[in-house]
Amino acid sequence: EVQLVESGGGLVKPGGSLRLSCAASGFTFRDAWMTWVRQAPGKGLEWVGRIKSKTDGGTTDYAALVKGRFTISRDDSQSTLYLQMNSLQTEDTAVYYCTTDLGGTWGQGILVTVSS
Amino acid sequence: DIQMTQSPSSLSASVGDRVTITCRASQGIRNDLGWFQQKPGKAPKRLIYAASSLQSGVPSRFSGSGSGTEFTLTISSLQPEDFATYYCLQHNSYPRTFGQGTKVEIK
Repeated sequence: EVQLVESGGGLVKPGGSLRLSCAASGFTFRDAWMTWVRQAPGKGLEWVGRIKSKTDGGTTDYAALVKGRFTISRDDSQSTLYLQMNSLQTEDTAVYYCTTDLGGTWGQGILVTVSS
Repeated sequence: DIQMTQSPSSLSASVGDRVTITCRASQGIRNDLGWFQQKPGKAPKRLIYAASSLQSGVPSRFSGSGSGTEFTLTISSLQPEDFATYYCLQHNSYPRTFGQGTKVEIK
């Protein structure tokens, strides 16, 4: 069964940092392009960024609102995707989802709350 | 950035109704579009990929059409489990962008 499980969310103060993890199973993770999507409370879906497979260069692309603050990385030996979030702002409060590229499979989501 | 304009933002319909949701892209995106269903408190689920291909396991009452700048998701006969919010997503260029969502409610 294809599965994605996020972890690492929680409450953080403005200006703080947090790292989310996404453990993948049931498919060949190293060949997959992976994406992070977020959803602020009561709002729509927002694309955060994507990392290609290492075979395809391993490069990343980000939404303008997070570029320079967020970093996506991957550990293919652990089948794990990461989202390092720095300089967090209250507007970053959201449920964060990891997905396979194009959204074929989603994790259950993890809540990140940025508040003093 | 490519803007995806989704309409309507909400609609009320009855079980058995035919429902149509539209996404318009600010520039041509070929058929690089997916449709997603999200129920409250749950992760989105992909219904359609490549604008018109039905995701495995999704009921055939869901269909997608369109290419270029105009796309449509149709539910041929609305069922109780279809009341949810629907989103389109373009993956033609970066940043990828979602439509604003369409909430389908019970009339």
